[in-house]
Amino acid sequence: SQQGEEDPQALSIQEGENATMNCSYKTSINNLQWYRQNSGRGLVHLILIRSNEREKHSGRLRVTLDTSKKSSSLLITASRAADTASYFCALGSSNTGKLIFGQGTTLQVKP
Amino acid sequence: EAQVTQNPRYLITVTGKKLTVTCSQNMNHEYMSWYRQDPGLGLRQIYYSMNVEVTDKGDVPEGYKVSRKEKRNFPLILESPSPNQTSLYFCASSFGRVNTEAFFGQGTRLTVV
Repeated sequence: SQQGEEDPQALSIQEGENATMNCSYKTSINNLQWYRQNSGRGLVHLILIRSNEREKHSGRLRVTLDTSKKSSSLLITASRAADTASYFCALGSSNTGKLIFGQGTTLQVKP
Repeated sequence: EAQVTQNPRYLITVTGKKLTVTCSQNMNHEYMSWYRQDPGLGLRQIYYSMNVEVTDKGDVPEGYKVSRKEKRNFPLILESPSPNQTSLYFCASSFGRVNTEAFFGQGTRLTVV
């Protein structure tokens, strides 16, 4: 499959803890993007990391990319109840020229 | 405010009754696409458009049509809906196809009975 494989499928943590989600892939990519989706609503773009970048930060978000291992991780630090959502990685495929979404990680942050 | 607007948000219809889901963006984006989201299957692309009058099939185009007569609008047409098209549909737009962020509409939950 050209999709990103996300791990874990579901994650439950306490407010204040860090949350880490992983995305592995098999295809060749131009970039990898992370999106958040609140229940039943549209996806919201969080961060884009290009294939020649290794790490990127945005507020409480930290994304890493290891192209040799074909994997990426999204770290949310000091989580809040409002971070409860599904998180998707999306591959900007250099083979197909398409944006391909993984199946997502469902994060629950308990107050 | 930059946004992608879909209508309707919710729709229940009967098998075979033609319907159109509208999508409009106000960001002057060239690239627009339609996805469907189903449990366990993630988001799958239905159709996309690189610019006005330029459309192409995505991964699951069967049973759908699109048109791009104006840059801002990209309607999704179901000529003869069937129950297997019951799904959550999203329209998205971006400046480019791959290397830029995509902006999503709020979704249309379609039920075909």
